[in-house]
Amino acid sequence: GAVVSQHPSWVICKSGTSVKIECRSLDFQATTMFWYRQFPKQSLMLMATSNEGSKATYEQGVEKDKFLINHASLTLSTLTVTSAHPEDSSFYICSARDNSGEQYFGPGTRLTVT
Amino acid sequence: DAKTTQPPSMDCAEGRAANLPCNHSTISGNEYVYWYRQIHSQGPQYIIHGLKNNETNEMASLIITEDRKSSTLILPHATLRDTAVYYCIVRVAPSNSGYALNFGKGTSLLVTP
Repeated sequence: GAVVSQHPSWVICKSGTSVKIECRSLDFQATTMFWYRQFPKQSLMLMATSNEGSKATYEQGVEKDKFLINHASLTLSTLTVTSAHPEDSSFYICSARDNSGEQYFGPGTRLTVT
Repeated sequence: DAKTTQPPSMDCAEGRAANLPCNHSTISGNEYVYWYRQIHSQGPQYIIHGLKNNETNEMASLIITEDRKSSTLILPHATLRDTAVYYCIVRVAPSNSGYALNFGKGTSLLVTP
């Protein structure tokens, strides 16, 4: 079946630094990838939609200059959290859409900002 | 996509069937019912989906009422590893939608020994 990986699975960074999270579709090409954020005891919230070769579309309330998304190839999208602060600590999940339109989810990345 | 309503939490004894309900009274004729689950600190996992007929796979069964306004996900013999949050999502056919899946609050299922 379709597999999506994320790297790293968890990361701890200091306040003010930037951290990059990778999302890869391992056995299929994904023209569209999605980034979600999940705070404790809450549901997944869509942050942005990323289309290969074009600028990402951000949901209302998500700062595009803070959460930089790059989708440079059909199998890789990256999310960079710039100038991270403790309130950015969260569980970040990506998903990739295959040619049939189905979405497959990555295992998530736990970000802790100290 | 149509809105769904699920109970916030349910308990089930290990080995028994877990029946998770979902209301989707505003579902349109071209919308499917999808179920995902999320085990703690993992990404969502696809379980099953259907349009109007009942469906069964190796993980679960999906029963959709004739008027399609509600459905039930059945885990026939729940195990401790089935403890998770279960999400019922209504959406048009994936091939017709480039939009992301929209997750509600789901049902937190606790399977007890």
